[in-house]
Amino acid sequence: GNSVTQMEGPVTLSEEAFLTINCTYTATGYPSLFWYVQYPGEGLQLLLKATKADDKGSNKGFEATYRKETTSFHLEKGSVQVSDSAVYFCALRGRGSNYKLTFGKGTLLTVNP
Amino acid sequence: DGGITQSPKYLFRKEGQNVTLSCEQNLNHDAMYWYRQDPGQGLRLIYYSQIVNDFQKGDIAEGYSVSREKKESFPLTVTSAQKNPTAFYLCASNSGTGITDTQYFGPGTRLTVL
Repeated sequence: GNSVTQMEGPVTLSEEAFLTINCTYTATGYPSLFWYVQYPGEGLQLLLKATKADDKGSNKGFEATYRKETTSFHLEKGSVQVSDSAVYFCALRGRGSNYKLTFGKGTLLTVNP
Repeated sequence: DGGITQSPKYLFRKEGQNVTLSCEQNLNHDAMYWYRQDPGQGLRLIYYSQIVNDFQKGDIAEGYSVSREKKESFPLTVTSAQKNPTAFYLCASNSGTGITDTQYFGPGTRLTVL
C-alpha cells in the first residue's frame, strides 16, 4: 500500500536559517505529492504540490522537487521566519486509492527570533 | 468567499453521549472527507464520500457514522461506541476526482469528552 515517511521533529531553527524537512514515500506507479502546513489550532493549508517526476512545487519561498529515483519530496526553504513556525505534513495520492490522501505524521517546526 | 466551514470550533461531551460535527462547503466539490488528528499521529481517515447519497469507511470508522444527503454537507456523528473520541476533527473536500486534484481543509473541531 501507499505510505509516507517524514523526518521526526521537533525541528528548532533560528530566523534566517536554512530548512530541510525530509519526506520519502512508497506507492504504486506515479503518485501526486503534496506538502501541507498547519498553524496552531487551525486546519491544513496546501503549501505546494508536484504531480509528476522532476516537477518542482514552490510557494512562499518553500520548494520541493519530486524525485522518482529516490522516491523523495523534501521540503526546503532558504531563510525561515518566525511566522513559518507550524506543523508540516507530506502527503501523497496514488492511483487506485479512491483519491484518498496518505499523510506522514507531521513535523513540528519552531523558528526562534 | 468559498470554503469549508466546521462548527462548532470547540465541543465538549459527556461520556455516553452522541455528538454531531457539522461540515459545510460552498466549493461545489463532489468528494468530502473526515479525518481525525491526534498528537504525533498525523491524520487518519474516518469516512469519505465521493458523491451524494454514497459514502465509504476509511481506516478508523468504528464508532462513527456519517450521512451525505446534500452535496454541500457531510456531518459526522461520534457515537458512544467510540472508545476514545477526544481529538481534533478535520473535514476536507476535493476539487476534483483526479489524482492531481487538491484537497482543501476546514478549520477543524476540537472535541473533548469529559
